[in-house]
Amino acid sequence: DSGVTQTPKHLITATGQRVTLRCSPRSGDLSVYWYQQSLDQGLQFLIQYYNGEERAKGNILERFSAQQFPDLHSELNLSSLELGDSALYFCASSVVGQRTSGNTIYFGEGSWLTVV
Amino acid sequence: ELKVEQNPLFLSMQEGKNYTIYCNYSTTSDRLYWYRQDPGKSLESLFVLLSNGAVKQEGRLMASLDTKARLSTLHITAAVHDLSATYFCAVDFTTSGTYKYIFGTGTRLKVLA
Repeated sequence: DSGVTQTPKHLITATGQRVTLRCSPRSGDLSVYWYQQSLDQGLQFLIQYYNGEERAKGNILERFSAQQFPDLHSELNLSSLELGDSALYFCASSVVGQRTSGNTIYFGEGSWLTVV
Repeated sequence: ELKVEQNPLFLSMQEGKNYTIYCNYSTTSDRLYWYRQDPGKSLESLFVLLSNGAVKQEGRLMASLDTKARLSTLHITAAVHDLSATYFCAVDFTTSGTYKYIFGTGTRLKVLA
């Protein structure tokens, strides 16, 4: 158990709908990362937050948004869902969010999203 | 654009054999990470390599880093079935004031009895 908690574990929804994925980082970790993993595109970096502020943005679609709250939990909002959004969405956390003496990130179990 | 590429993408090998997975990256970085993912599961950290020439070993796995060549290797010695998983390398770096943590394409390893 990495200490990173993600909910829900599984989600099935219809095209055009909106869903919210939730992540609680490890105790003491200030940085949260979101990744999308699909069969044909590997592990894609979406966005990173550090202590409530957006730190880096990757290949995140405009239909997707995220935020990190004062208690450091994070939510990833996916709207106007398309079939191609079906994937495993990982949240990860680390103590820091920048180059220091090594930044191992710890992954949650992921949220399986199926869009039908 | 940063690229982190692994070779091979798929690897099927027999138990007892040795093999090496390669990770090439296109930016300047002296830090590299290896992770393991079992099917349908999360990723877990294996190694953190923080300088040129760094070598880390854990059981049958050994990782090394050559920052000049922008290359890391993950060597598997006398493979066993339990090593079957997907292995990812990752690089972190800062560009234009933005910190990034990018994963490679992954190498799916299957060890056959």
